Amino acid sequence: EDQVTQSPEALRLQEGESSSLNCSYTVSGLRGLFWYRQDPGKGPEFLFTLYSAGEEKEKERLKATLTKKESFLHITAPKPEDSATYLCAVQAGMNYGGSQGNLIFGKGTKLSVKP
Amino acid sequence: GAGVSQSPSNKVTEKGKDVELRCDPISGHTALYWYRQSLGQGLEFLIYFQGNSAPDKSGLPSDRFSAERTGGSVSTLTIQRTQQEDSAVYLCASSKPGTGYGYTFGSGTRLTVV
Repeated sequence: EDQVTQSPEALRLQEGESSSLNCSYTVSGLRGLFWYRQDPGKGPEFLFTLYSAGEEKEKERLKATLTKKESFLHITAPKPEDSATYLCAVQAGMNYGGSQGNLIFGKGTKLSVKP
Repeated sequence: GAGVSQSPSNKVTEKGKDVELRCDPISGHTALYWYRQSLGQGLEFLIYFQGNSAPDKSGLPSDRFSAERTGGSVSTLTIQRTQQEDSAVYLCASSKPGTGYGYTFGSGTRLTVV
């Protein structure tokens, strides 16, 4: 069964304290791994797509990496405005339940950055 | 429009009543998805549309749930005879067809069944 597990569930950092969030996955034929940011009361906001092991993408203080079993979201010198829940999702290569695009989401990591 | 629009943003209904939730996707996005997000839970897939057809309804939790899409655009999710366990945020997303494209989500409809 395709599955996504994120850790930790919650992470508290001081402003400027770098850290990483983990997303481990099992999927039959990975087509893409997606990272989203979700603020309270809002829908998830797309951050990155990674397609193959070894790929990396960066956006401001965020850097996402991918291996064959997991992905990391590295946060360098975070600021309070980086506080949010970060969601990881995978898209399977096999038609998942008939869908060619369905994403399977983890439960997310809630990040709090204190000034 | 510029983004995915959902209405209403909040809905409080009495147990046993029917509710309709609406989603306006981004123009040109032929794929449309409904997800449900309960407190402390991940996003739960409900149904997928490609154009007006729904090739994947596997996530609908019971026959009280149904959805349709017309004109390859607006979609409506209907919940009949609502139960308290239906309380959640219902999120709609749209994307270009095919794999490898990220979804664009709406802000969701928060449904509370009392």
